[in-house]
Amino acid sequence: QLQLQESGPGLVKPSETLSLTCSVSGGSISSSSYFWDWIRQPPGKGLEWIGSINYSGSTYYNPSLKSRVTISVDTSKNQFSLKLTSVTAADTALYYCANDGGSYWVENWGQGTLVTVS
Amino acid sequence: DIQMTQSPSSVSASVGDRVTISCRPSQLISSLLAWYQQKPGKAPKLLIYGASSLQSGVPSRFSGSGSGTDFTLIISSLQPEDFATYYCQQVHSFPPTFGGGTKVEIK
Repeated sequence: QLQLQESGPGLVKPSETLSLTCSVSGGSISSSSYFWDWIRQPPGKGLEWIGSINYSGSTYYNPSLKSRVTISVDTSKNQFSLKLTSVTAADTALYYCANDGGSYWVENWGQGTLVTVS
Repeated sequence: DIQMTQSPSSVSASVGDRVTISCRPSQLISSLLAWYQQKPGKAPKLLIYGASSLQSGVPSRFSGSGSGTDFTLIISSLQPEDFATYYCQQVHSFPPTFGGGTKVEIK
């Protein structure tokens, strides 16, 4: 069973860059079976797909965030990362890393990490 | 983006009740729909994928149906551990989008 764990600063200043890392255990991040995803949830609100990266490094970003998002993979550390630039208060949310089998329905989720922009 | 409309936004029910939640996408999505359960302070949990396929380990009291633009999640006999918020998600078009959620509360 794959396990995912987010890490990163819980507080980011407006206009700065939000950076999070997801550590993967129980499986290889290089596996062709998986896509690696970032999803966020503002406090008390619904879920928003940020983007995904697959085993070959191909990325798929939500058009609403595409100009500010970068997702990358570090195979040596079995981790993948999210960078979101020029953040505002609207980017305050619980950020989840997750994975799916290429279909985008998410079987495994991290516990989530709250990032506050202030 | 495909907009996902869930109804009701909340429902009060008792243990043993049958609960029905509706999800309507703004476009045809075939059967490319999933349902998730989220409890407070926890990540969502996949219940149903492909509109009607039960994820491994999910109790059989959960069922999903529908295709196109009309989908339903049914909890046949509500249990205490089922009080949570439920979300639908379309995976027909990128980006995947979620409904606004249905909170199932204790009556």
